[in-house]
Amino acid sequence: GEDVEQSLFLSVREGDSSVINCTYTDSSSTYLYWYKQEPGAGLQLLTYIFSNMDMKQDQRLTVLLNKKDKHLSLRIADTQTGDSAIYFCAETEVGNMLTFGGGTRLMVKP
Amino acid sequence: GEEVAQTPKHLVRGEGQKAKLYCAPIKGHSYVFWYQQVLKNEFKFLISFQNENVFDETGMPKERFSAKCLPNSPCSLEIQATKLEDSAVYFCASSLLGQGGQPQHFGDGTRLSIL
Repeated sequence: GEDVEQSLFLSVREGDSSVINCTYTDSSSTYLYWYKQEPGAGLQLLTYIFSNMDMKQDQRLTVLLNKKDKHLSLRIADTQTGDSAIYFCAETEVGNMLTFGGGTRLMVKP
Repeated sequence: GEEVAQTPKHLVRGEGQKAKLYCAPIKGHSYVFWYQQVLKNEFKFLISFQNENVFDETGMPKERFSAKCLPNSPCSLEIQATKLEDSAVYFCASSLLGQGGQPQHFGDGTRLSIL
C-alpha cells in the first residue's frame, strides 16, 4: 500500500528557516498536502501542490516537489514561536482518501 | 457554516457502551471523510461520503462501526460495544468535490476515551 514517511522532530531557532521533509511511495499521487496541528486542535491546511508542479510559494511557505525521487519538502521562512506544532504531509490520488505521514514535531526556540 | 463542526469535543464511555459522534460539514461541500488519529499521531481513514451515499468504506471496521450522512442532518459515526482500543481522536473533514486538489478541511475532532 501507499506509504508516507517523515522525520519525527525538528528544532530551529526563531528567525531561522525550517525545512520539513517527506517521502512517499505512491507513483500515482496527484496532490500532496501540508497540514499543521497544534496541541489539542484539528488539522489546519497550510498548502498543497499538484504533482505536475515543482514548486509553490505562499508567503513564508515554500513547497518543493521532486517527483522523480518522490520527495516533498516544506520550507518555513523566518520561523516564529507560533509555528511550533506538528506538521503532516499527506498524499492523495484521484480517489481522494488522504494518506498521512507520521508528522514532524517542529520546536522553535526563542 | 464556514467550518467543519464536530460534536462533542470529548466523549467518555465505559467499555461495551455505545458512542456516537457528529459532524456538520462546511455548507456546500459534497464530500465528508472520517479519520481516526491514534497514538503516535497515526491517521487511519475510515469512510467517506458523497452527499448521503457511501463513497469509500475500505477503512471501516465492519463489525461495530457504522456511519451515516442524511439530508439536512449532521453526519454521524457510531461505535457499538466500544473497546479500549477505540480510544482515539476522530476527525471529520469535508471537501467541495471528491477529486484530488479539492482540499479536505478538518474539524477540531472528537476525543473518545473508553474506560
